Amino acid sequence: AQSVTQPDIHITVSEGASLELRCNYSYGATPYLFWYVQSPGQGLQLLLKYFSGDTLVQGIKGFEAEFKRSQSSFNLRKPSVHWSDAAEYFCAVGAGSSASKIIFGSGTRLSIRP
Amino acid sequence: GAGVSQSPSNKVTEKGKDVELRCDPISGHTALYWYRQRLGQGLEFLIYFQGNSAPDKSGLPSDRFSAERTGESVSTLTIQRTQQEDSAVYLCASSFKALGATEAFFGQGTRLTVV
Repeated sequence: AQSVTQPDIHITVSEGASLELRCNYSYGATPYLFWYVQSPGQGLQLLLKYFSGDTLVQGIKGFEAEFKRSQSSFNLRKPSVHWSDAAEYFCAVGAGSSASKIIFGSGTRLSIRP
Repeated sequence: GAGVSQSPSNKVTEKGKDVELRCDPISGHTALYWYRQRLGQGLEFLIYFQGNSAPDKSGLPSDRFSAERTGESVSTLTIQRTQQEDSAVYLCASSFKALGATEAFFGQGTRLTVV
């Protein structure tokens, strides 16, 4: 069955430091992959998505993610975090027919140290 | 509309009562999804509507849960005989077609508290 694992429940980084949030998926075929962000009091917003092609995907707010098939991973990175990046981050995989069902990971909460 | 709209934003209900949650998707979006997010948890898929196709109900946790959608517009999620474990934020999302092909836009959610 399809699944998404985000091994880090909570991460704290200093403002200006680099960030990497881990995501591993389980899916038999080439997956559709997503990263969403949920800020306090806000709805879910798509950061970036991977469907095919270049395995390094650029998203909004300076985020990027790299699809590594051999590792079944889709880690999210940002070279320098800002205090406004504090939020909950969800990795997700689109599975099934036409990726009609999206499965979310349990999320990683990011805190920023001033 | 400008975005996905959900109502009510908050709902407190007594155990055993029925509740209806409403979702107004973005105009023209053919796909509509319901998810449940328990406190501190990820998003749990509940149900998916795509155009006139039969909905994917595989995520509904019990027969107390049901959902309807009229054409490509409003959807309602109904929970009968609510239980305390139903307390969660219920999120609705819509997209132009199957989620994998386009971005899904989420509403702000309905926070349901069963007391």
